[in-house]
Amino acid sequence: DGGITQSPKYLFRKEGQNVTLSCEQNLNHDAMYWYRQDPGQGLRLIYYSQIVNDFQKGDIAEGYSVSREKKESFPLTVTSAQKNPTAFYLCASSPGLAGEYEQYFGPGTRLTVT
Amino acid sequence: AQRVTQPEKLLSVFKGAPVELKCNYSYSGSPELFWYVQYSRQRLQLLLRHISRESIKGFTADLNKGETSFHLKKPFAQEEDSAMYYCALTEGAQKLVFGQGTRLTINP
Repeated sequence: DGGITQSPKYLFRKEGQNVTLSCEQNLNHDAMYWYRQDPGQGLRLIYYSQIVNDFQKGDIAEGYSVSREKKESFPLTVTSAQKNPTAFYLCASSPGLAGEYEQYFGPGTRLTVT
Repeated sequence: AQRVTQPEKLLSVFKGAPVELKCNYSYSGSPELFWYVQYSRQRLQLLLRHISRESIKGFTADLNKGETSFHLKKPFAQEEDSAMYYCALTEGAQKLVFGQGTRLTINP
């Protein structure tokens, strides 16, 4: 089954712990994105990557880190510095630039930090 | 900063009635605008984009640069249209800026 996979579906962590969310795609897409979805706030961009070994901060990058060592993988680490980490996280990919191509979304990971 | 505003968090209409989901934007250049939709238990997916000028599932959206709007319309709502709808705009062609979303409910 092709597409974007995110794991796990639900994730629980204690406050003060770092946690890494997985995002994998087998669509051979160059660009990948991480969004945070909160009720009433829509989707907000955390980080994006247009090519392997390169990534840029989005609008709410503080407290998050990413890596793009492989084309198919774009893991997101939620660090203890993120003040409100409990949220629904969506990963997406596209063949190229956001303005030219549709973004394909994963099923999401719901992170709960207590 | 570019901004996308969807003024209605919730919208409820009866089956067969016309639907209009509002989207306003602020952008200094020539915008690329999109509507994404998320049906219950499904992934967020592209519904339509303004440059394609096509109708998808009976929905259309016209870019009005004078009013800086990109409202989504459908003349006759169907129950399967119930979903969360997001308007989005590209910023610098590299990333999307999303609105807050409108939850559309079609009543039988």
